[in-house]
Amino acid sequence: GAGVSQSPRYKVAKRGQDVALRCDPISGHVSLFWYQQALGQGPEFLTYFQNEAQLDKSGLPSDRFFAERPEGSVSTLKIQRTQQEDSAVYLCASSLDRSPPGARGNTIYFGEGSWLTVV
Amino acid sequence: LAKTTQPISMDSYEGQEVNITCSHNNIATNDYITWYQQFPSQGPRFIIQGYKTKVTNEVASLFIPADRKSSTLSLPRVSLSDTAVYYCLVGDRRNKAAGNKLTFGGGTRVLVKP
Repeated sequence: GAGVSQSPRYKVAKRGQDVALRCDPISGHVSLFWYQQALGQGPEFLTYFQNEAQLDKSGLPSDRFFAERPEGSVSTLKIQRTQQEDSAVYLCASSLDRSPPGARGNTIYFGEGSWLTVV
Repeated sequence: LAKTTQPISMDSYEGQEVNITCSHNNIATNDYITWYQQFPSQGPRFIIQGYKTKVTNEVASLFIPADRKSSTLSLPRVSLSDTAVYYCLVGDRRNKAAGNKLTFGGGTRVLVKP
């Protein structure tokens, strides 16, 4: 497709269950980002990939969160032993080149998000 | 980090112009100012980006004064479908480690009434 695609769109997990969220970035986009958005708040940065290299994972809230992009295209965000506080929308975004998102002309494109509810 | 401050919410009526001002006192020389729009149940969507003076596209205008410590997003003649949260972001290139992340604040919730 033309945009960033995420699946599943909605996921309900029981506390303690592992979940995997998938992101298909726009074809050819070098940079890929994951953000977490709690209800009523702005998105918060989780991690950043440049091709297959995870260059920044400073936003991952705990070692239960793990992200990968093994072939530099599709990415998976995995959350182990989910807790109720993990309930949020997980947004994936991609951009064409390596320059920082705030740089001139480097627009990042977001997917619609994966809505995770942990019960 | 280049932090931004914007109003929490604004109400408007169809057909009116909506102006949202964002403060970014610590903006760095090479930083651009970018605005995103987010509808319920969707990811943020790029609206406009600028460096100084004025930028206009088919959706909005962005006014940036000479000192660049603030910017104003202007939405002309809003309709009900413009009801959304609008985020002002500033890229931070002074801190290399932070340079790859966009920092969203709480955004401005704009409600357009009939």
